[in-house]
This record gives sequence, C-alpha cells and structure tokens, in this order.
Amino acid sequence: DAGVIQSPRHEVTEMGQEVTLRCKPISGHDYLFWYRQTMMRGLELLIYFNNNVPIDDSGMPEDRFSAKMPNASFSTLKIQPSEPRDSAVYFCASSPGTGIEQYFGPGTRLTVT
Amino acid sequence: AQSVTQLDSQVPVFEEAPVELRCNYSSSVSVYLFWYVQYPNQGLQLLLKYLSGSTLVKGINGFEAEFNKSQTSFHLRKPSVHISDTAEYFCAVADSSYKLIFGSGTRLLVRP
Repeated sequence: DAGVIQSPRHEVTEMGQEVTLRCKPISGHDYLFWYRQTMMRGLELLIYFNNNVPIDDSGMPEDRFSAKMPNASFSTLKIQPSEPRDSAVYFCASSPGTGIEQYFGPGTRLTVT
Repeated sequence: AQSVTQLDSQVPVFEEAPVELRCNYSSSVSVYLFWYVQYPNQGLQLLLKYLSGSTLVKGINGFEAEFNKSQTSFHLRKPSVHISDTAEYFCAVADSSYKLIFGSGTRLLVRP
C-alpha cells in the first residue's frame, strides 16, 4: 500500500502566480480531504469529497482557492492568484467508506514570496 | 459546534518516564475521537481511535487512551516513553459529518 501521495513536496512561488497541488488517495477510499496547517491557525479542513463529489467546501478561504476531483484516483487544489498569506503546509487525506478514519499524505510545503 | 482543547502546548519528559497528554472536547452529540502523531516534516499518522465500545483504546507504539464521557476527555498515555516518541500529538473529534476538528497540538519532548 503506497499510502496517500502528494506532489510536489515543496513549492516556492512568487505572489500572483498560480499554484496547483496534487493528491492521489489510497486506492478504494471513497473520501478525500484537503487540509491546511499553519502555526497561527493549526490544522484546518478546506474541502472534502465523497465519490469525487465535493460535499463541504465551507473551509475554503476565498475564491482564489478551488479544488477538483476528476476521478477516484486524483485531486487538485489550485490557488490563483497566490498570496504570501497562503504559505502553509497543505495535506491531503483519504478515508474508506465510513469516512471516519483518515489517512494523511506527507504534505506540500508552499512558500509564496 | 464541536471543539477540542489540548491545554498543554509542550510536555517535556525524561526517557522511560510515563506521560499523559490531555485532551478535552465539547460536543452535544455522539463523537468519534482520535489521536494523531506528526513527526518533523511528515504527515499525520493515526495513533489510535475511539468509535464505540470499550472506553480504553490501545494504539500503536505502546500508546493508549481512555474515553471519559462524563469528563468529556480522551487523554493519551504511555507508561514508558522513548526518545523516538518526540513529536507533535494532535487530538481530534468527528461526528457523523466526517469532518475532523483538531486540537492545537501538544509537543512531546523526550529527554535522555
């Protein structure tokens, strides 16, 4: 079992640029979650999907953020345009049918200068 | 609304000593409770979970936690810690909506 895979592991970009973070969930998992971790706000749920359908995006900070899940094995989180305050570690997690127990990827550390 | 409180931001302890990391939650409905561990520059790893049944839950790496409904607590314990247990520990609560609410984390620092 390869676990949840995220890419890139590190991303450094300039303010105003578009950033795309990628996630491959564990095969067979029906739920996919995107989180953001910062020192100030801790771990925050941004959005989650069930069977590729977005269920709750109330944690998405603003319209600059968007997430898609075109199929069961791939999801993206896009920030356009990026701002320095978006600097954080972004985690993807997946969960089997119950949606309760979540398995996290290694995260993407985003730095916006 | 649910919330999780981890009162201790850092817990220093000597190697082979016992440790308890405290977690209290607030919820008006039945909950599911979790402890996750995060090693430096890594993702979160599930230590243990309480979904139902026995209130004493055993997890990986010798950790255990006890669900106390009357005190709304889910404290994490280990009888003898190792240097390798140095990490950040997060308590989390979820209800049937599957959304995990995390505490602010407790940094366990094990000293030789």
